[in-house]
Amino acid sequence: GESVGLHLPTLSVQEGDNSIINCAYSNSASDYFIWYKQESGKGPQFIIDIRSNMDKRQGQRVTVLLNKTVKHLSLQIAATQPGDSAVYFCAENTNAGGTSYGKLTFGQGTILTVHP
Amino acid sequence: DTGVSQDPRHKITKRGQNVTFRCDPISEHNRLYWYRQTLGQGPEFLTYFQNEAQLEKSRLLSDRFSAERPKGSFSTLEIQRTEQGDSAMYLCASSLGGWEKLFFGSGTQLSVL
Repeated sequence: GESVGLHLPTLSVQEGDNSIINCAYSNSASDYFIWYKQESGKGPQFIIDIRSNMDKRQGQRVTVLLNKTVKHLSLQIAATQPGDSAVYFCAENTNAGGTSYGKLTFGQGTILTVHP
Repeated sequence: DTGVSQDPRHKITKRGQNVTFRCDPISEHNRLYWYRQTLGQGPEFLTYFQNEAQLEKSRLLSDRFSAERPKGSFSTLEIQRTEQGDSAMYLCASSLGGWEKLFFGSGTQLSVL
């Protein structure tokens, strides 16, 4: 469910399981979406992106699904490893007047903990 | 390491003091961004440069904040008369344009006492 402040949504999985992290975005005009991973004391690290003209994109061990009808984004991580433990953020970008630049709006984040 | 460098990594200051942070983006990237992140929240957009031109500033950026990118390479973010509410992680990011895959630095953690 939704949380505010320090009470981020959490997901705990066992090593080797598949993980699914969900995100609801707010702006139906958003046309580009990114997932970032953030480890403690570090900046966000790019994982995968998707444009609004796609509904699925795959990377190495990761898949992003986009459902524009319900404004929902998900990140699937296959064979989750302890090194995947981090906070995961989705971010959306809205093409403002035809000039796209990196004014990203970030979601709240989900804490993923992978147990060995 | 994404190639975006920020200095210092940590800054502790007293309320009312001025602080300045530096960001060195990936060398060929013409776009540079500053974001702010507080504990438990996602980063929030502050400002954006294309080359040396500052093209947008968020309402979050009060008149105590100023950012520059004088030669279109590194950037500085200055906060004057710091307040305890300024305590946050200040993140810099850069991109080459296009669909805006932003590369973030490790941030400067500011603590205002």
